[in-house]
Amino acid sequence: QKEVEQNSGPLSVPEGAIASLNCTYSDRGSQSFFWYRQYSGKSPELIMFIYSNGDKEDGRFTAQLNKASQYVSLLIRDSQPSDSATYLCAVIPVDGGYNKLIFGAGTRLAVHP
Amino acid sequence: DGGITQSPKYLFRKEGQNVTLSCEQNLNHDAMYWYRQDPGQGLRLIYYSQIVNDFQKGDIAEGYSVSREKKESFPLTVTSAQKNPTAFYLCASSSGMRETQYFGPGTRLLVL
Repeated sequence: QKEVEQNSGPLSVPEGAIASLNCTYSDRGSQSFFWYRQYSGKSPELIMFIYSNGDKEDGRFTAQLNKASQYVSLLIRDSQPSDSATYLCAVIPVDGGYNKLIFGAGTRLAVHP
Repeated sequence: DGGITQSPKYLFRKEGQNVTLSCEQNLNHDAMYWYRQDPGQGLRLIYYSQIVNDFQKGDIAEGYSVSREKKESFPLTVTSAQKNPTAFYLCASSSGMRETQYFGPGTRLLVL
């Protein structure tokens, strides 16, 4: 059973702080990793994708991938109230040709002024 | 302006009724997907299509059907066999099966 695990939260951080969202996955051979943001009642929108070990930065967002430990994280610097949303981690496992996205249940982030 | 459209935004189904959700994309993507999202849960794959005239069952296909007669369109029918259809339905597309997926705005289905 291929799984993607996230802490459901809510993760509450003050405005201006760094929010750290974590995700673990079960398929060691996974190669593609995605972070989506989903506002309440809306559809997911892509924030970042990462394929290689290490960090990838895009503005206030940094994705970190550690394949040996099978986790991927998303850091949000200078958190704003508008960042309050559910963040979905998604992984494409590589196992017997199963090449579809597996989503975690999401972590709810609340940024308070 | 490229994107994915879904209609209707809200849909009400009566007991025993089949309903069809529309999904259209003008991104020239080959692959299209249907997901279901229940409150507080992640997305579960219903059906996907890698190319025109081909589609495959996902993890929760029972009670649903699809067609892919045109590259741009991937409609989903929720049949009367689906006993718990109330959910948020999301359509997505990607240029290939291992590429980034982009989502439409979703359809919320409610049972009367």
